[in-house]
Amino acid sequence: DIQMTQSPSTLSASVGDRVTITCRASQSISSWLAWYQQKPGKAPNLLIYKASSLQSGVPSRFSGSGSGAEFTLTISSLQPDDFATYYCQQYSINPLTFGGGTKVEIK
Amino acid sequence: EVQLVESGGGLVQPGGSLRLSCIASGFTFSNYWVHWVRQTPGKGLVWVSRINNDGSSTVYADSVRGRFTISRDNAQNALYLQMNSLRAEDTAVYYCTRGLPNYSSFDSWGQGTLVTVSS
Repeated sequence: DIQMTQSPSTLSASVGDRVTITCRASQSISSWLAWYQQKPGKAPNLLIYKASSLQSGVPSRFSGSGSGAEFTLTISSLQPDDFATYYCQQYSINPLTFGGGTKVEIK
Repeated sequence: EVQLVESGGGLVQPGGSLRLSCIASGFTFSNYWVHWVRQTPGKGLVWVSRINNDGSSTVYADSVRGRFTISRDNAQNALYLQMNSLRAEDTAVYYCTRGLPNYSSFDSWGQGTLVTVSS
């Protein structure tokens, strides 16, 4: 199985900060990577697909980059609504696997 | 509006069975592969199973293979997960989610249904 490792597991930041989350795959997954945002008690919400494509309706402050085995999610200017947990997911090879999550907290 | 609505969760004893349902609306269900993903309370997301658009191909996580069966009824816009021989470690919120055929992220999710396996 492909292991997805996210870092950091928790991130404390302030409104307006630039935030970067990293996701590493245990082997190359080309660009078959997605990022999701999840708030407590809610289902995940797709932010980025194919490593860098912004899902329709998602604010442009979110961006994704990377290919192969290393990827990043960047929030250019953190907004109050962005405090949540973020997950990466590879969909290159079964079983599909998720990273352990990064919780973005208010500093 | 795309909607996925799960039902069928509840409390079941170890070794018991449960059948989850997911009803889709707002899109052409038969065009999509559909998946079950679960999340243990307070923990991360784990993919469980996938079925292709006509139901001819299924894939399972090792942890549920042989105990869970995924199926669909395109005429009813419905996805199912039959869960047998349930264990305490199957306790989780179960989400249904959709993706396009082959390589695809999950662009729409249900609200989830809680399965609790406990005596």
